[in-house]
Amino acid sequence: AQSVTQLGSHVSVSEGALVLLRCNYSSSVPPYLFWYVQYPNQGLQLLLKYTTGATLVKGINGFEAEFKKSETSFHLTKPSAHMSDAAEYFCAVSDQAGANNLFFGTGTRLTVIP
Amino acid sequence: EAQVTQNPRYLITVTGKKLTVTCSQNMNHEYMSWYRQDPGLGLRQIYYSMNVEVTDKGDVPEGYKVSRKEKRNFPLILESPSPNQTSLYFCASRAASRNEQFFGPGTRLTVL
Repeated sequence: AQSVTQLGSHVSVSEGALVLLRCNYSSSVPPYLFWYVQYPNQGLQLLLKYTTGATLVKGINGFEAEFKKSETSFHLTKPSAHMSDAAEYFCAVSDQAGANNLFFGTGTRLTVIP
Repeated sequence: EAQVTQNPRYLITVTGKKLTVTCSQNMNHEYMSWYRQDPGLGLRQIYYSMNVEVTDKGDVPEGYKVSRKEKRNFPLILESPSPNQTSLYFCASRAASRNEQFFGPGTRLTVL
């Protein structure tokens, strides 16, 4: 079975500072990993995904994440936070292409302080 | 524009009054799914459909029904809504062989 733990339901950073959102997963098979972003009053938008291959994945809006199998982690980072990054971020895992379900973490709300 | 649409976006209703939330996608995706989002719980799957006339329960199906008569549409039906179904609902779709799901804008439902 798959599961995701996101450490920190709320994270605050100053504008221009590093953004680090943590995600640890549990999966009995090689996982497919995703980060989604939800802006206020909007649906979820895919930021980036890891399926196979390169473990450092680059996404939209300057975000990237690194798959670390030994640590069962897929942390999301951005070198310099922008005010427009304020949103809720969800990490998700599935076990194979075409699998029924994505298992979501509980989300991390990012606040960017001017 | 490729998208998933949901209607209504906001709905306030009373206990026991049947309602339907519509979901439509224009990407010819085989797979569609409904989630509910609650504070501190993330997104939990209600029902999913692998294709027309093929539906199955997700993690929290109690109190909900779905149908998939056409590929593009996947309505969510609450026959007798209760206050514990007050939530934010998302419809999603994806192609059969892909993991990337596309989400609708959400429907905020309040049951009084």
